[in-house]
Amino acid sequence: EAQVTQNPRYLITVTGKKLTVTCSQNMNHEYMSWYRQDPGLGLRQIYYSMNVEATDKGDVPEGYKVSRKEKRNFPLILESPSPNQTSLYFCASSPFSSVSYNEQFFGPGTRLTVL
Amino acid sequence: AQSVTQPDIHITVSEGASLELRCNYSYGATPYLFWYVQSPGQGLQLLLKYFSGDTLVQGIKGFEAEFKRSQSSFNLRKPSVHWSDAAEYFCARPDNYGQNFVFGPGTRLSVLP
Repeated sequence: EAQVTQNPRYLITVTGKKLTVTCSQNMNHEYMSWYRQDPGLGLRQIYYSMNVEATDKGDVPEGYKVSRKEKRNFPLILESPSPNQTSLYFCASSPFSSVSYNEQFFGPGTRLTVL
Repeated sequence: AQSVTQPDIHITVSEGASLELRCNYSYGATPYLFWYVQSPGQGLQLLLKYFSGDTLVQGIKGFEAEFKRSQSSFNLRKPSVHWSDAAEYFCARPDNYGQNFVFGPGTRLSVLP
């Protein structure tokens, strides 16, 4: 089944403890992206990747890192999480390196709580 | 920077009634515009998209949207709402380079039986 998977789905952690949220797609998509969703703010883009080894900042990249060493994987790293990073995180992928007119396919989301 | 606004945070309609959700975009070249839906506890699903041509776009689940350049709007409509349409709806657009993607704040739709 074509899909975007994220792990873990739920995570409660403490301030400063490094964590990684994994994202994987099995559709051979070029483009991958991370978003965070907060009430009243919609989804805001954290980082995106046009293809392997090509990443760039979105609108809210502070406190996050990403890497794209393989086409299918795009992990989100929080080196030192803080409570303001408590949010619902979505990974998405799209077939081509531009999302101008291409659909993005979303994972199920990861709910992160930082105490 | 390009932006998208959705003036209505929450809308309640009765089942069977018509629906219109508003979306306005900031100035730019002919924009590419999208509507996504997020059902409770789910990820997002594409409803429809506009990038050129006919300004009335048909989507899935009986939804349509109309692009109006003069009003910088891309409103989503449905003639008869079903209880299963209760969800959050997001209008969105890419930047001029087609890589950074911007979502509106969303409109939550409640449907009364």
